[in-house]
Amino acid sequence: GAVVSQHPSWVICKSGTSVKIECRSLDFQATTMFWYRQFPKQSLMLMATSNEGSKATYEQGVEKDKFLINHASLTLSTLTVTSAHPEDSSFYICSARDHRGSDEKLFFGSGTQLSVL
Amino acid sequence: QKEVEQNSGPLSVPEGAIASLNCTYSDRGSQSFFWYRQYSGKSPELIMFIYSNGDKEDGRFTAQLNKASQYVSLLIRDSQPSDSATYLCAVRMDSSYKLIFGSGTRLLVRP
Repeated sequence: GAVVSQHPSWVICKSGTSVKIECRSLDFQATTMFWYRQFPKQSLMLMATSNEGSKATYEQGVEKDKFLINHASLTLSTLTVTSAHPEDSSFYICSARDHRGSDEKLFFGSGTQLSVL
Repeated sequence: QKEVEQNSGPLSVPEGAIASLNCTYSDRGSQSFFWYRQYSGKSPELIMFIYSNGDKEDGRFTAQLNKASQYVSLLIRDSQPSDSATYLCAVRMDSSYKLIFGSGTRLLVRP
């Protein structure tokens, strides 16, 4: 199956710093990637849709200036949490659509556990 | 009203039994339906997807879709302790391919 690599797996940072998370599709091109956030014992909440070569589309309530998304190539999308605060501590997961064959499959990266002190 | 609803559980079944997981959704225009399994601290992994009314079987898993009732379920036959995880129902509501997830049902399979 398709592989989506996400890095780093976990990060601990001080309040006020920025953190960048990378999401790569390793064996396919992904024109669209999705960023989700998951708090403990809760479901995945879609934050934004990352589109290659254009601006990301953010879900209602998600601050685009705080969660910067860059999708500069067909295999890489990055999410930067700017000026992180403890309430941003969460599990961030990216996903990419593999449109080869069936167009329904969405594969997830391994996730990034962010802890802001 | 939540867009995708699941019973949080836990659903506890003995090893070898059939586990039945249910999900309802609010948007009648929803097009595709997915079941993901998520182990604690890990990202979701796709089990099955279905977009036509009826049943779809894959090994020990059967997905059932009833669009009239806005209901989708997942049956796991011959449940194993390794099936213990949180099962997430996800719905694609439009052509954008973004998925809306339910809150998940925690399944415990007792040895």
